[in-house]
Amino acid sequence: DAMVIQNPRYQVTQFGKPVTLSCSQTLNHNVMYWYQQKSSQAPKLLFHYYDKDFNNEADTPDNFQSRRPNTSFCFLDIRSPGLGDAAMYLCATSREGHEQYFGPGTRLTVT
Amino acid sequence: EDQVTQSPEALRLQEGESSSLNCSYTVSGLRGLFWYRQDPGKGPEFLFTLYSAGEEKEKERLKATLTKKESFLHITAPKPEDSATYLCAVQDTGTASKLTFGTGTRLQVTL
Repeated sequence: DAMVIQNPRYQVTQFGKPVTLSCSQTLNHNVMYWYQQKSSQAPKLLFHYYDKDFNNEADTPDNFQSRRPNTSFCFLDIRSPGLGDAAMYLCATSREGHEQYFGPGTRLTVT
Repeated sequence: EDQVTQSPEALRLQEGESSSLNCSYTVSGLRGLFWYRQDPGKGPEFLFTLYSAGEEKEKERLKATLTKKESFLHITAPKPEDSATYLCAVQDTGTASKLTFGTGTRLQVTL
């Protein structure tokens, strides 16, 4: 089945220790997104790629970076995680202007 | 700025007790309104897209409707497996593929 895959499902990191989350897709969608979702809150868009064009949200902290080496893969790098960065990180894909399909998420814990 | 407000925040129903969830929105121009289902600890699952006022979509016990200011998700004779958080999101004509989400309605269906 075509899908969006995220690894790892659970990630524990120490305060200030860099961490990378990965996302891959078999849908061949040209748009990929990274969201942050905290408990009982709406998903918050961090950035998205339209093909290789990177689009950063104005309020996304500089601590968050992303890479998209090819159509299928996208990475979220958190350079110096703080306690406030503990959240569920969701990757999604879509064709331009159509519904987004989400992966299962990565639960990040910062100790 | 696009805004999405969902009500109620939480809803508890008995099995078979039909009800409706509300999604009110403000956008400069609506490109699409999306409904998602999210189970605890998982990514959102796409349900419906609605594009214009008067449009309706159905899937099993769920029916989504759209007016110029709000959308309803009607749940007919719900079962315990319908328990989840239901998220509404809008896509603005001016922001290409980006979605603005509401905080969701947490639905619990009991026997």
